[in-house]
Parts: sequence; structure tokens; C-alpha cells
Amino acid sequence: QVQLKESGPGLVQPSQTLSLTCTVAGFSLTSYNVHWVRQPPGKGLEWMGVIWNTGGTRYNSALKSRLSISKDTSKSQVFLKMNSLQTEDTATYYCARDLSLWYQGVMDAWGQGASVTVSS
Amino acid sequence: DIQMTQSPASLSASLGETVTIECLASEDIYSNLAWYQQKPGKSPQLLIYYANSLNDGVPSRFSGSGSGTQYSLKINSLQSEDVSIYFCQQNYDSPFTFGSGTKLEIK
Repeated sequence: QVQLKESGPGLVQPSQTLSLTCTVAGFSLTSYNVHWVRQPPGKGLEWMGVIWNTGGTRYNSALKSRLSISKDTSKSQVFLKMNSLQTEDTATYYCARDLSLWYQGVMDAWGQGASVTVSS
Repeated sequence: DIQMTQSPASLSASLGETVTIECLASEDIYSNLAWYQQKPGKSPQLLIYYANSLNDGVPSRFSGSGSGTQYSLKINSLQSEDVSIYFCQQNYDSPFTFGSGTKLEIK
């Protein structure tokens, strides 16, 4: 059964760094790409970036200077780090898997989301 | 970046009706268009990919069409469980941008 689950702090202070972990089950990170997508309260979805099955990454240029995505294949975990957080980074953060390597960017399995509030 | 313009922003329809949601890309995305459904308080779920391919387990009353820059999602025989926000998304080029969403309610 394919599962993704985000974990991390619910509250981050302004200017600090957000660290989130996506733990996956039911598939291998060497065979699927994993994305991070965020959604501010009551708003739409913003694609943040992806880590390819090969380990390469691509980021949304709007976030590129602050964002880093990595993974530990042996632990089935994908990591997101974003620095210099501001209140506008308050959002639910999702990790999601690609449908297949043939359909990059088509996300067929999503985690439950991690709610992050940026506040002092 | 490719801009995705989705309409309408909200929609109210009666049970059993057919509704259509539109999505316009700022450039040709060659059918690399997905539709997601997000129920209140839940994660998005993939409905349609490559413009018209139904994801596994999705009811056949959902269908997608379109090409080039214009795409649509049609829901036949509206059910109460279809109350959701629907998003289109292009996966032709990163950043993989989403439409702003259509909130579907039952009259």
C-alpha cells in the first residue's frame, strides 16, 4: 500500500529554518520522483520542488534561493529544508509521488499534509 | 512560468446535473494537464492525467478533454460526494503550476 506521511514542527519562528520529513512506504525512492507542494490557508496549491528518482532536484525559482530537497533512500525518507521563513510561508506542506517516471509532475499519491505556522 | 487560468472560481449545481470546469494555459502544454479533487480538510487526489486519462478508481462520470492551451473537466450526474475544490495543473514544464481552483457546491 502506497503511503506518504509528512512530519515536522507545527510552529516556526520568523527568519528560522523549516525542516520537514516525508516518510514513504509501499514504493522505492529509486523508482519514483517525490514532490513538495504547499497550500496557504484557504488558498491554492503551489509546487515547490521535486527530487527525482536519480537524486537530482528541481525547484520553483520563486523559492530556489531558500529551498533544499534531499533524500535518504535506505530510510525511505525525503527531506525539505527552507530557510528565512516569513509569515507568508504559513501553509500546509504536502509531499506527493509521481504517477510514474513516464508522467513526471502527475501526482497520484499525497501525504496527509503538515500544517506549519510561522509566528513569534 | 506557464500560467493556468481556471474558471469559474465557484459553481453551484443540483444533484444529477452535469458541470464543466475550464482551464486555460498561457502556452501550449501538449495535453500535459492533470485534474485534482480536494475535499474539505483533505489532501488533493488525482482524477485525470494527460488531459483525458482517468486515474485508477475514479468514477467514470468524471472526464477530461482538450488540447493545446484549452482544457476542461466534466462531471456527469453530480453526486453529493463531488462537493470539493477542483484544480487543474500543467506538468509540461517546471514549475508545475496549478490553476486557482473551482469550488463546487450542491444547490
